Amino acid sequence: LAKTTQPISMDSYEGQEVNITCSHNNIATNDYITWYQQFPSQGPRFIIQGYKTKVTNEVASLFIPADRKSSTLSLPRVSLSDTAVYYCLVGDMNTGFQKLVFGTGTRLLVSP
Amino acid sequence: DAGVIQSPRHEVTEMGQEVTLRCKPISGHDYLFWYRQTMMRGLELLIYFNNNVPIDDSGMPEDRFSAKMPNASFSTLKIQPSEPRDSAVYFCASTRGTSGRNEQFFGPGTRLTVL
Repeated sequence: LAKTTQPISMDSYEGQEVNITCSHNNIATNDYITWYQQFPSQGPRFIIQGYKTKVTNEVASLFIPADRKSSTLSLPRVSLSDTAVYYCLVGDMNTGFQKLVFGTGTRLLVSP
Repeated sequence: DAGVIQSPRHEVTEMGQEVTLRCKPISGHDYLFWYRQTMMRGLELLIYFNNNVPIDDSGMPEDRFSAKMPNASFSTLKIQPSEPRDSAVYFCASTRGTSGRNEQFFGPGTRLTVL
């Protein structure tokens, strides 16, 4: 399994850009990097997925360096509603969902 | 689309009782997952099915836990007998295997409390 390491918690203020970095040193060639968001009392929700370089959607950007041993989820101009737990997963559904481990995530607190 | 439906949303029971959690996946999804979430262990995959067949149950903690998927629109997770350490939020999720990405759609969860 490609083990991931991410900060336990982060604090930010409204309007700031937040970058959450995830380390995955033993990522396999076929693995994708996937990020989920979980609000209190809800199930996780898919945010973004990438393989290399940069991916952007309406919610976030994902930066992946050439060696793919880490990735950074970027949330532009966060608001209070972005307070949530963010999970970094590494794996590929085609090789088995049991590889896609959620772990304990990064708890982001956005303050006014 | 109603999303993944789970019932009950909350369950309080006493140690030794049987507990059955229910899940209806999104129509057309061929994968179904059961997760357990606690503060100590985070979100753990218990078991998942593909086309109603269990693929990996290595996350099921012990024989007290069992899961079934009798058809494409229904699955159960049963705990018998229940113990206080089983207290957690249990999530069901589903996805379509041909989606091309690792996106699972989660239900609202069932909060289980075993006294």
